[in-house]
Amino acid sequence: QVHLVESGGGVVQPGRSLRLSCAASGFTFSLSAMHWVRQAPGKGLEWVAVTWYDGSEKFYADSVKGRFTISRDNSKNTLYLQMNTLRAEDTAVYFCVRDRGSGGGSGTDVWGQGTTVTVSS
Amino acid sequence: SYVLTQPPSVSVAPGKTARITCGGTNIGTYSVHWYQQKPGQAPVLVIYYDTNRPSGIPERFSGSNSGNTATLTISTVEAGDEADYYCQVWHTSSSRYVFGTGTKVTVL
Repeated sequence: QVHLVESGGGVVQPGRSLRLSCAASGFTFSLSAMHWVRQAPGKGLEWVAVTWYDGSEKFYADSVKGRFTISRDNSKNTLYLQMNTLRAEDTAVYFCVRDRGSGGGSGTDVWGQGTTVTVSS
Repeated sequence: SYVLTQPPSVSVAPGKTARITCGGTNIGTYSVHWYQQKPGQAPVLVIYYDTNRPSGIPERFSGSNSGNTATLTISTVEAGDEADYYCQVWHTSSSRYVFGTGTKVTVL
């Protein structure tokens, strides 16, 4: 059974940091590009970041570039998202997502259930 | 930045056909993926690379892509198809996924 389980969400004050984790199981994690996608309350989907299968390439949405860092540990089958200088507009459910390919672009076929991040004073 | 525009809502009677459009400049030169999202759930891939269905997705779901418009077609609509639908492309020049604005499908 292919699974992605996110953790690390919570309530955080503006300007503070948070690190999300995503534990993968049931597939060869080291062969898949991985993404973070978020969804603000009542809004649509917003792509956040991608890391290539081996971590060699990483790309970010303009809205998070310079504040968020995506990383992965293939030995632990785990994806991370370090979020710094958080803003109210970062409030969302964050999904860990598997790409069908080793780089981006092939469509995403496995989604976690999401972890909620609330940025509020 | 690349923008994908979808109609906010589409209403369809059971048994009829729903067509959801996704507009973008020269979208026909990109590969389009489509997702279904039901309330409180994670999205599910229903079409990838314009026309391909993942295993487990009914044949009632089909896709097309040409020019400036991609289309998701749901034939013989059922009550269980009521959901939000999103198109997605990989914007090659910026190495980013772009999602459409989303369409809420209501089954009358």
